[in-house]
Amino acid sequence: AQSVSQHNHHVILSEAASLELGCNYSYGGTVNLFWYVQYPGQHLQLLLKYFSGDPLVKGIKGFEAEFIKSKFSFNLRKPSVQWSDTAEYFCAVNPGGSYIPTFGRGTSLIVHP
Amino acid sequence: KAGVTQTPRYLIKTRGQQVTLSCSPISGHRSVSWYQQTPGQGLQFLFEYFSETQRNKGNFPGRFSGRQFSNSRSEMNVSTLELGDSALYLCASSFESRVRDTQYFGPGTRLTVL
Repeated sequence: AQSVSQHNHHVILSEAASLELGCNYSYGGTVNLFWYVQYPGQHLQLLLKYFSGDPLVKGIKGFEAEFIKSKFSFNLRKPSVQWSDTAEYFCAVNPGGSYIPTFGRGTSLIVHP
Repeated sequence: KAGVTQTPRYLIKTRGQQVTLSCSPISGHRSVSWYQQTPGQGLQFLFEYFSETQRNKGNFPGRFSGRQFSNSRSEMNVSTLELGDSALYLCASSFESRVRDTQYFGPGTRLTVL
């Protein structure tokens, strides 16, 4: 069965630090990739997505992610985090043409002002 | 545009009972998906409805069912509740039933089974 791994369960950073959250998946074929974010007290929302083309994808609020097919990875990055980036981050993968996503367990990010 | 709404927001039931959760999608969206979120299993896909038809189904027992009405509103039903059904149930809507359509999530219904 397909799996999605987010190796960092909890990350604590100071403002202005750089962020990289790991996401690895086990499916070997074509994939559609997503990062979602859930801010405290808010709904889960899409941060960015990758379907094809340029493996470097830019999302909202200065986030970007890079798809590295050879490493089965889709890591999320932000050069300088803010206190408002404190949230739970989820990676999700849809294999091939499947509508059904597999989610990672999430990474809790706390940014200290 | 109003976002995805879910009712009720909180529910407490006892084992063996059944429960119905409701989801109203964003106006114009015809696809509604349901997810279960638990500390142990994380976020898991339950099923998706599009134009009143179940299009996709996750790996959950038949106790979990749903339906969609002609106005795209959707309900999810869980029969014979078990303690393990305690979870946050999320609904998400999208314009069409395509992987590439952005899903918009609701606030969820927190179900506690005692």
